[in-house]
Amino acid sequence: AQSVAQPEDQVNVAEGNPLTVKCTYSVSGNPYLFWYVQYPNRGLQFLLKYITGDNLVKGSYGFEAEFNKSQTSFHLKKPSALVSDSALYFCAVSAGGNFNKFYFGSGTKLNVKP
Amino acid sequence: EAQVTQNPRYLITVTGKKLTVTCSQNMNHEYMSWYRQDPGLGLRQIYYSMNVEVTDKGDVPEGYKVSRKEKRNFPLILESPSPNQTSLYFCASSLYAGASYNSPLHFGNGTRLTVT
Repeated sequence: AQSVAQPEDQVNVAEGNPLTVKCTYSVSGNPYLFWYVQYPNRGLQFLLKYITGDNLVKGSYGFEAEFNKSQTSFHLKKPSALVSDSALYFCAVSAGGNFNKFYFGSGTKLNVKP
Repeated sequence: EAQVTQNPRYLITVTGKKLTVTCSQNMNHEYMSWYRQDPGLGLRQIYYSMNVEVTDKGDVPEGYKVSRKEKRNFPLILESPSPNQTSLYFCASSLYAGASYNSPLHFGNGTRLTVT
């Protein structure tokens, strides 16, 4: 079975500091990995994805993520956090031969303090 | 404006009373899917559709039905709702089926359903 783990319910960081939101996955076959962000009372918005190629993926709003096959991880990073980055972040994976099915992590609440 | 529209935003109903949550997209997307979001569980996929008249089960399809008679619409039907279906529901669409295409999921703003 495919699964995604986000080990931290909440991450706190000061504005201007680098941030990392962790994601690990367990799949059969090659994974397609995604990050989405959710603001209050809104649907999820796409940030970035890894399909193949360069392990470092750059996405919207200055976010990037690194695919690490040996550690089965896809951590989200940003060099300098903004207060406006505060939101709920979801990692998702599609794999196992059916790329129409998506598996989401439980979400990580990012709090960026001024 | 390109968007996925869900209705209603909020719905309170009683056990056993059939309901439909509508989802419509104006982007001519092939792929549509439904998710439920529960605290601590993230989003779980209920059903998906790769095109008109083509639907399949996600991870948690029990108690739900869907149909895809037109490309733009993908309603979620609860024929006999129960309290354990109280949740926040999201519809999403993407240009093509299959995650390998460069077409991210576009989400609606959600429907909060309470079944008493």
